[in-house]
Amino acid sequence: GESVGLHLPTLSVQEGDNSIINCAYSNSASDYFIWYKQESGKGPQFIIDIRSNMDKRQGQRVTVLLNKTVKHLSLQIAATQPGDSAVYFCAENGLTGGGNKLTFGTGTQLKVEL
Amino acid sequence: KAGVTQTPRYLIKTRGQQVTLSCSPISGHRSVSWYQQTPGQGLQFLFEYFSETQRNKGNFPGRFSGRQFSNSRSEMNVSTLELGDSALYLCASSLAKGLSGYTFGSGTRLTVV
Repeated sequence: GESVGLHLPTLSVQEGDNSIINCAYSNSASDYFIWYKQESGKGPQFIIDIRSNMDKRQGQRVTVLLNKTVKHLSLQIAATQPGDSAVYFCAENGLTGGGNKLTFGTGTQLKVEL
Repeated sequence: KAGVTQTPRYLIKTRGQQVTLSCSPISGHRSVSWYQQTPGQGLQFLFEYFSETQRNKGNFPGRFSGRQFSNSRSEMNVSTLELGDSALYLCASSLAKGLSGYTFGSGTRLTVV
């Protein structure tokens, strides 16, 4: 069945360093992936997405890499700031029946140390 | 531009009762999805509505139901509440169907006692 899993539950980085959050997925038919950030008491916030016909996509301070061969997704955050502290989720849009259905990973807690 | 609005923010109910949660999507968004978030199970898809029709459904019992109105506002209902239904219920809306990012609301925190 479909599953999206994260390698590390908690990641601690120093302010100013780069952060890398990893995600594995099992559905080889997955064709659209999204990274979300969730702060305490808030809903998930869209960070960046990538389609399966791409290997890399860059945003402001964030880069998502997709390796379809090993079914692996990563989120890189450059110059990590205290405001980046949150739980990060990867998600796959199953597009069942042409609609919207996200399968989320378990999440990684990113802690930024001053 | 207003975001996705969920009401109420917090709710406490007793086992056996029923509850209705509301979601107002971003203006112009026609797709509304619901998710349940718990520490043990993470974020799980409940169902999606598009143009007043349920388009997709997750693996939840029939006690969980929903509907969407002509103005795209959506409600979800949980009947015969169980302790395990305690969770953060999140609503997300999107402009188009498929291949588009969602905007989530802040959720409704439901506690069943």
